[in-house]
Amino acid sequence: GESVGLHLPTLSVQEGDNSIINCAYSNSASDYFIWYKQESGKGPQFIIDIRSNMDKRQGQRVTVLLNKTVKHLSLQIAATQPGDSAVYFCAENTNDYKLSFGAGTTVTVRA
Amino acid sequence: GAGVSQSPSNKVTEKGKDVELRCDPISGHTALYWYRQSLGQGLEFLIYFQGNSAPDKSGLPSDRFSAERTGGSVSTLTIQRTQQEDSAVYLCASTGPSADTQYFGPGTRLTVL
Repeated sequence: GESVGLHLPTLSVQEGDNSIINCAYSNSASDYFIWYKQESGKGPQFIIDIRSNMDKRQGQRVTVLLNKTVKHLSLQIAATQPGDSAVYFCAENTNDYKLSFGAGTTVTVRA
Repeated sequence: GAGVSQSPSNKVTEKGKDVELRCDPISGHTALYWYRQSLGQGLEFLIYFQGNSAPDKSGLPSDRFSAERTGGSVSTLTIQRTQQEDSAVYLCASTGPSADTQYFGPGTRLTVL
């Protein structure tokens, strides 16, 4: 399953399939990006980050891709599990310390 | 503690009352942030503290909102004369020195009746 940032804020994916969550960021000067996962009733939880000198970074079952040319960030989740159901936020570092967050994409995993 | 903690977890108040929300950052973290998250929305920056520097208050929506950080650790966000539009989840995050990643607490859900 795949989402396109603000235009498709929800994503439904079959358990076991791969998920792709997209995010368009606004500031070409941003040099640090983070993906957060927020489960219902909890605070955002750090998933993975990437700096602007990289275009890909992998974690456990997750991969973040950065395309600075088109200011696009994506999060890929391999073999999506029911526990991956949550809202996913991308965030960009717009100055030395302030993060700017996207509106979020709600991922629902179908059993 | 192991993570950022916030209290209370839920707060219901009447319009016009003052509320105080507390944040305990991760031990040793020098930077502390407050955010507001309205239902189904992203995170709205409110205020930032870093060490002994003057806080960045640029995100506070009105003069009814204020925050302080005592002793470089615990922070309190105060909302005076609460309004119904103040209803939201208030999140606190902290960052260690030489680090960019913000670690969030569970939030305080504020409901103004």
